[in-house]
Amino acid sequence: NAGVTQTPKFRVLKTGQSMTLLCAQDMNHEYMYWYRQDPGMGLRLIHYSVGEGTTAKGEVPDGYNVSRLKKQNFLLGLESAAPSQTSVYFCASRDTEKGRSNQPQHFGDGTRLSIL
Amino acid sequence: LAKTTQPISMDSYEGQEVNITCSHNNIATNDYITWYQQFPSQGPRFIIQGYKTKVTNEVASLFIPADRKSSTLSLPRVSLSDTAVYYCLVGVTGGYQKVTFGTGTKLQVIP
Repeated sequence: NAGVTQTPKFRVLKTGQSMTLLCAQDMNHEYMYWYRQDPGMGLRLIHYSVGEGTTAKGEVPDGYNVSRLKKQNFLLGLESAAPSQTSVYFCASRDTEKGRSNQPQHFGDGTRLSIL
Repeated sequence: LAKTTQPISMDSYEGQEVNITCSHNNIATNDYITWYQQFPSQGPRFIIQGYKTKVTNEVASLFIPADRKSSTLSLPRVSLSDTAVYYCLVGVTGGYQKVTFGTGTKLQVIP
């Protein structure tokens, strides 16, 4: 049981290049999230998904797009990378609520992205 | 969204009990209190969650007073490996994301 797996772990891009970050979870979770974390700051939500085929904007969605074509995968795309998008990106997944319990998020180990 | 306030950093010696308090004055009736731990170069990891009174698991205890306007994460007998950032989150995490991660408390355990 791998949990949440993010690929790649590291990447360096030039300004204007595009790339896709992949998040895969094997826990059959409905909800998935993409965050970014900048030095000395907490995690900020970029986009999230409440199920296959659905996506929604979070706190800082500009410059990013996402897709959830399969339940287990959540892709984060940068169409034209900018230096301001240099950050560590975390993906998380979460199960649906069970009764009154509040399901925690399960995180991957992050993708470190540098844009020159 | 319930705003949380927690100390930016704390230092503790090995073997001591550490208590990290989080203030959440505008917590709503349906809000849960959740704590995560984050080591360098890793994603946050769930530690403990509670709604009221006291919750204990193999890692930590969570104390929540009756008014629920604050909570205290208690780590018994910390070791160097407990050096991490600890986040307090308050909110109802239904399909719609209603919680935010603050800057957390950076705990440094000293030998």
